[in-house]
Amino acid sequence: DVKVTQSSRYLVKRTGEKVFLECVQDMDHENMFWYRQDPGLGLRLIYFSYDVKMKEKGDIPEGYSVSREKKERFSLILESASTNQTSMYLCASTGQGKGANVLTFGAGSRLTVL
Amino acid sequence: AQSVTQLGSHVSVSEGALVLLRCNYSSSVPPYLFWYVQYPNQGLQLLLKYTSAATLVKGINGFEAEFKKSETSFHLTKPSAHMSDAAEYFCAVSDQGAGNMLTFGGGTRLMVKP
Repeated sequence: DVKVTQSSRYLVKRTGEKVFLECVQDMDHENMFWYRQDPGLGLRLIYFSYDVKMKEKGDIPEGYSVSREKKERFSLILESASTNQTSMYLCASTGQGKGANVLTFGAGSRLTVL
Repeated sequence: AQSVTQLGSHVSVSEGALVLLRCNYSSSVPPYLFWYVQYPNQGLQLLLKYTSAATLVKGINGFEAEFKKSETSFHLTKPSAHMSDAAEYFCAVSDQGAGNMLTFGGGTRLMVKP
């Protein structure tokens, strides 16, 4: 069964700490995405990547950065966590083909910043 | 630019009753349309998708959705709700072009009463 695995399900961090959220997929997908999920706002795209070492800003990139050193791994980095970054973070991936590519999601990482 | 509006952040139905979750979209080009479901403490799973073939799309677990271009709608229905349908449902749209970036609605939480 294909999978997107997010290493941390629950994290509690303090304001100003550096936070790494890791995501690994085993489907050889080219495209990987980081979303933030907040009640009433749905999913908002933070960053995405179409290839190794490639990244593009999504709709809400401020306060975040990403790293994609290997095809299967896409990391989200909060350089200095703030309380307004308390949220559920979802990683997803999809292949490169034309057509309605379906996203495969990880289970999510719930981050609380105190 | 695309946008998705889901009317009703919370919908409550009795077990056995009709489920209707509303989704309206805006897109300047022919869209792909999706419904995803998120069960508690899990990531999102694809329920069904519209890709410009049949306008009535059948998905998993007895759900279906109808694409109505004139109304720019893609409402999700199920004839008879089951307790296991309690979850959050997200409508999403992407362009029928390169990239297939998804724009999500705010989500609708479905509650099923015994």
